[in-house]
Amino acid sequence: EAGVTQFPSHSVIEKGQTVTLRCDPISGHDNLYWYRRVMGKEIKFLLHFVKESKQDESGMPNNRFLAERTGGTYSTLKVQPAELEDSGVYFCASSQEGGSYYEQYFGPGTRLTVT
Amino acid sequence: AQSVAQPEDQVKVAEGNPLTVKCTYSVSGNPYLFWYVQYPNRGLQFLLKYITGDNLVKGSYGFEAEFNKSQTSFHLKKPSALVSDSALYFCAVRDTNAGKSTFGDGTTLTVKP
Repeated sequence: EAGVTQFPSHSVIEKGQTVTLRCDPISGHDNLYWYRRVMGKEIKFLLHFVKESKQDESGMPNNRFLAERTGGTYSTLKVQPAELEDSGVYFCASSQEGGSYYEQYFGPGTRLTVT
Repeated sequence: AQSVAQPEDQVKVAEGNPLTVKCTYSVSGNPYLFWYVQYPNRGLQFLLKYITGDNLVKGSYGFEAEFNKSQTSFHLKKPSALVSDSALYFCAVRDTNAGKSTFGDGTTLTVKP
């Protein structure tokens, strides 16, 4: 069974540019999460999809971030325009069910560097 | 609001010695506690979890963790460390039925030969 995949693995962009990150969850997993780790600090929750619907987007930092999951399969996270403080590692995770009992499977992350 | 603290940025132990990576948590309801490990250029890998039941939880690669409700702690332990255990370790908590995880800052474990 393929795990969670993320693309690209690393992205370097200039301040003001746009970047789109992609996450492909494990097949059949309705729940998809985005997290990020900034400046070596804790991994912070961004949002949670159940199929194509946003279940919880309380962690989205501002309106420069747009997440979509059309069709309930893969998800994209767009940052527009990117700022220096957006640099970090963006993780995606998926789970079969959304309750806390269920394990979340994480992807390798996308390292975003904004210069 | 829930929170996790990993008080040590780094832990260094000699191979063969026991290791402990500390974690304390704060959550309003019953805690669901997790440990993950991240090796260089890899994603987070699940090690173990505590949901309910026995306070001593056994997980992957010989790791175990002890849930202590009175001290609100969930320390990760291994009786005999390996050089290959060197990695970044994250403790996480989820509130009952809440999907999102709250993580600590991470602890870098270095096991010296």
